[in-house]
Amino acid sequence: DGGITQSPKYLFRKEGQNVTLSCEQNLNHDAMYWYRQDPGQGLRLIYYSQIVNDFQKGDIAEGYSVSREKKESFPLTVTSAQKNPTAFYLCASSIGQGATGELFFGEGSRLTVL
Amino acid sequence: GNSVTQMEGPVTLSEEAFLTINCTYTATGYPSLFWYVQYPGEGLQLLLKATKADDKGSNKGFEATYRKETTSFHLEKGSVQVSDSAVYFCALRGTGSQGNLIFGKGTKLSVKP
Repeated sequence: DGGITQSPKYLFRKEGQNVTLSCEQNLNHDAMYWYRQDPGQGLRLIYYSQIVNDFQKGDIAEGYSVSREKKESFPLTVTSAQKNPTAFYLCASSIGQGATGELFFGEGSRLTVL
Repeated sequence: GNSVTQMEGPVTLSEEAFLTINCTYTATGYPSLFWYVQYPGEGLQLLLKATKADDKGSNKGFEATYRKETTSFHLEKGSVQVSDSAVYFCALRGTGSQGNLIFGKGTKLSVKP
């Protein structure tokens, strides 16, 4: 079945460590996104990519990095510079960035910093 | 800039009660409007959408009408079930350079038997 796969589902990290969250899609979508979800704050956009080898900062990009070397993959690295990384991270994709485009989400990765 | 405001929760209802979750927006031009639902432990999935004024989106008994005059997109269901317990997000997608989805903060709904 087509969809978006995020891994790992749960991840624990010590302070000062970088971690990378995986996101893979087999929907042949051009655009991919990373959101952060915190209780009571909804979803905030970290980074997005409209095509391979190109990506843009979202509203809260500081302390994060991404790459888009393949159409189906959009990994997110949470660096040690991110002050408060404990959160639920959601990856999404869409056919394009037109105004009617629906987002398809993965099941999320929960990161906890110990 | 574009923004979405939705009613704060949590909302607790008895089974078969009527549901309304309010959502209002601020945007330039003619945005598309969405309701997404997040069941416990899962990602979000699209519930319904409307792309122009007076459109009504509907799915699984839920409805929402795009009201440009009141800049609103309220979610309604006539008779909720326990299985509707989830977090509901209103979202807006602008046009052109503002094409990313902007989400409200979410409203948690709990339905008791």
